Order: sequence, then C-alpha cells, then structure tokens
Amino acid sequence: DTEVTQTPKHLVMGMTNKKSLKCEQHMGHRAMYWYKQKAKKPPELMFVYSYEKLSINESVPSRFSPECPNSSLLNLHLHALQPEDSALYLCASSQDRASNQFFGPGTRLTVL
Amino acid sequence: GDSVTQMEGPVTLSEEAFLTINCTYTATGYPSLFWYVQYPGEGLQLLLKATKADDKGSNKGFEATYRKETTSFHLEKGSVQVSDSAVYFCALSDPGNSGGSNYKLTFGKGTLLTVNP
Repeated sequence: DTEVTQTPKHLVMGMTNKKSLKCEQHMGHRAMYWYKQKAKKPPELMFVYSYEKLSINESVPSRFSPECPNSSLLNLHLHALQPEDSALYLCASSQDRASNQFFGPGTRLTVL
Repeated sequence: GDSVTQMEGPVTLSEEAFLTINCTYTATGYPSLFWYVQYPGEGLQLLLKATKADDKGSNKGFEATYRKETTSFHLEKGSVQVSDSAVYFCALSDPGNSGGSNYKLTFGKGTLLTVNP
C-alpha cells in the first residue's frame, strides 16, 4: 500500500460546526503533515507530526486542532472556522524528515 | 531563509512541443530538490527528485538536473502530451536547517501547463 487516503473528499460546514478531517497511511511512515492550499497557490505547511509527537506548528489558529492517535492516523479537528478557511486540505507522510513526502488527494473544505 | 523561484506561467503548448519550466533556489544548506505535479482536482504527486549536485531526476519522460553552480533545477520534457496538463511545483527540503524546520518543503509558486491537441 503506497498511498495516503483522506476523508471526506468534500466538506461543507457552517461557522459554528465542529468537524474532523481524517488521514491514513500504511507505509510505515513516521512523519505526517497537514497542509492548506488555496486556489492557484502552493501548499502551506500547517503541522508536522514526527513519531506521533507534534514537531511543527506553523502558528496555526487554535480553531484548527491536530491529533495523531497512532502512527498511521492523523486527524485535523475543526471548530468555529471562518469563510477564509475554505481551501483544499492536504495530508502527507514521509518515512523520515529527509525523505519524499507522499500526498493524499485532499479534502475540499467550504466554510459558509 | 530558503526560497524557490519558478516561472509562473501559465504555459500553453501544442502536443509534442518541448517543455522547459525554470526553477532556481536559495538555501542555507545542501538541499534536496523536487518537482511535484498536481492534476486538476487532485493532491500533489512527486514527479522526480535529486539529492546532490549533477544528479538527474527523471520520470515519465520528464527530466531535471541539479545544478549547484547555477542553483537551478529546470524541468524539461521533449514531447508533451495533453495528459501532462497540470500545475507543476518546484520544491526543496534543506537538511541544513536546524530543529524541526528540516521537515519543511519550500515550494515555488507553481506553473500551470496547458497542452492543446
């Protein structure tokens, strides 16, 4: 299995909702990442988990809350989002910090 | 800090034309260099990579050579197809960065390629 899967594919939520994005990989990778990508822009790094510990938080607002329950799973909990948070959210994984990052297909999030 | 500059396009070519997308970089250490491709509505896929000077990465007819003297990693393909239409991102990771920042990929702004039949 050489892929990163993400669910849901699309998500529409209101500003008062709580939702979660999920990411899974079974490649034995020990680093996992969340990126945010706006239209026609490169991905922006949000969080990095290394060996299930939060390694990097790129000053992301607290309405985004990451969680790494085990080495294969990565969640992003969303609460009280703003319309400007609408974007494609990409998950990635890599064997370690020096390795290629494998990206999932993304979750297209729309905040109304 | 690290940075990647790539031609922003858009680039429009006819099928079987030659493609070059320029990419130059600045880095504090000795980076690894990547080209990622993003097809419409999808995530990023690694197209090719190079980890040291004069390395040539290649995949699916695309090539790029790590040129330390010109700090460049230009993407080329001899004959493009309609199916190559996508956004192409040049990126680097810099192990010379301290702490957790060496996990980071620094991306260029992306180049939209459209290939017409």
